[in-house]
Amino acid sequence: DTEVTQTPKHLVMGMTNKKSLKCEQHMGHRAMYWYKQKAKKPPELMFVYSYEKLSINESVPSRFSPECPNSSLLNLHLHALQPEDSALYLCASSQSGTKNEKLFFGSGTQLSVL
Amino acid sequence: GENVEQHPSTLSVQEGDSAVIKCTYSDSASNYFPWYKQELGKGPQLIIDIRSNVGEKKDQRIAVTLNKTAKHFSLHITETQPEDSAVYFCAASRYNTDKLIFGTGTRLQVFP
Repeated sequence: DTEVTQTPKHLVMGMTNKKSLKCEQHMGHRAMYWYKQKAKKPPELMFVYSYEKLSINESVPSRFSPECPNSSLLNLHLHALQPEDSALYLCASSQSGTKNEKLFFGSGTQLSVL
Repeated sequence: GENVEQHPSTLSVQEGDSAVIKCTYSDSASNYFPWYKQELGKGPQLIIDIRSNVGEKKDQRIAVTLNKTAKHFSLHITETQPEDSAVYFCAASRYNTDKLIFGTGTRLQVFP
């Protein structure tokens, strides 16, 4: 299994809602990532987990809260988002020893904040 | 910090022609340079990567060249096919770090 699975594929939420994005991989990768991608732009790194510990937080607002329950799962909890947070949220994984090399991306969650 | 510039932003070619996309990086300590292909509705997919101790790498119709002195690297696609149509991103990073810096992307269209 060489896939990174993200759910849901699409999400519409209001600014007062709380929702979660989920990501799963079964490749034995020990590094997992959250990226944000705006239309016609490159992915921007948000968070990195290495061996289930948060190793990078790219100064992301606290309304985004990551969680890594185990080596196969990565969540992104969303609360009190703003319309400008609307974007494609991508999860990725890689073998821990090579950190950012050979990232496997999921297809993303297209988020719309109303 | 690292900055990666990518050109052109759009590229249209006829099926069977070659396509070349160029990137320039700023951090001389960068030593890993991957290329990702992103099709509509999908996440980026790694298509080829190169380390700084290698000048060129080829995989079937795809090749990447690296000029460390000039801090340039390029993606070459030969015998293009309509299924090559996608957005291509170059990227750069230092080995064994968590941060990959992406270029701005090139939208490649291959016309039959």
